[in-house]
Amino acid sequence: NAGVTQTPKFQVLKTGQSMTLQCAQDMNHEYMSWYRQDPGMGLRLIHYSVGAGITDQGEVPNGYNVSRSTTEDFPLRLLSAAPSQTSVYFCASSYGGIVNTEAFFGQGTRLTVV
Amino acid sequence: QKEVEQDPGPLSVPEGAIVSLNCTYSNSAFQYFMWYRQYSRKGPELLMYTYSSGNKEDGRFTAQVDKSSKYISLFIRDSQPSDSATYLCAMSAGNYGQNFVFGPGTRLSVLP
Repeated sequence: NAGVTQTPKFQVLKTGQSMTLQCAQDMNHEYMSWYRQDPGMGLRLIHYSVGAGITDQGEVPNGYNVSRSTTEDFPLRLLSAAPSQTSVYFCASSYGGIVNTEAFFGQGTRLTVV
Repeated sequence: QKEVEQDPGPLSVPEGAIVSLNCTYSNSAFQYFMWYRQYSRKGPELLMYTYSSGNKEDGRFTAQVDKSSKYISLFIRDSQPSDSATYLCAMSAGNYGQNFVFGPGTRLSVLP
């Protein structure tokens, strides 16, 4: 039972480069989201999706794009990497519906922008 | 003021101690309260979930919610070195597609 799978686990980018962080879940969850985690800041929501074809911005969306073409996949794109985007990124999924309770998290992607 | 406040610690206790972890919040619409545990270099995992005010117990863990004071707590009895982790509180109003709001986390070390 894979749950939420994120790739890659580690990445180093140069300023200005672009890349896509992959996230896939096999639990048929409607709701998927991307967070970044920085020391002392906790988890901050970047973008989220309540179902295939529907996405919306979270608290810190600038510099990131998302799309949701299937229920299973929710990739996060960094358009032009900046050192301020150095962080640990977590993808999460949950059942959604009327009550949005347990979120299942991936193992994280540690991104360094130099 | 942040929507959810949490003492970042670090908190160090001896094995067997009772640990109290707390969060305060400002949004009175929150109805669902969760505690996540995050081991180093891992993703958070759900530990406890509580709806509205009251207590919930699961083994050595007890979650308390006081909506009138906008204050939630997690108690760990007979703490073990394996409890050493960062504990994140999270909250939701529970509407369809409602997002979670997380506290910054408290780092706990239980010393053998």
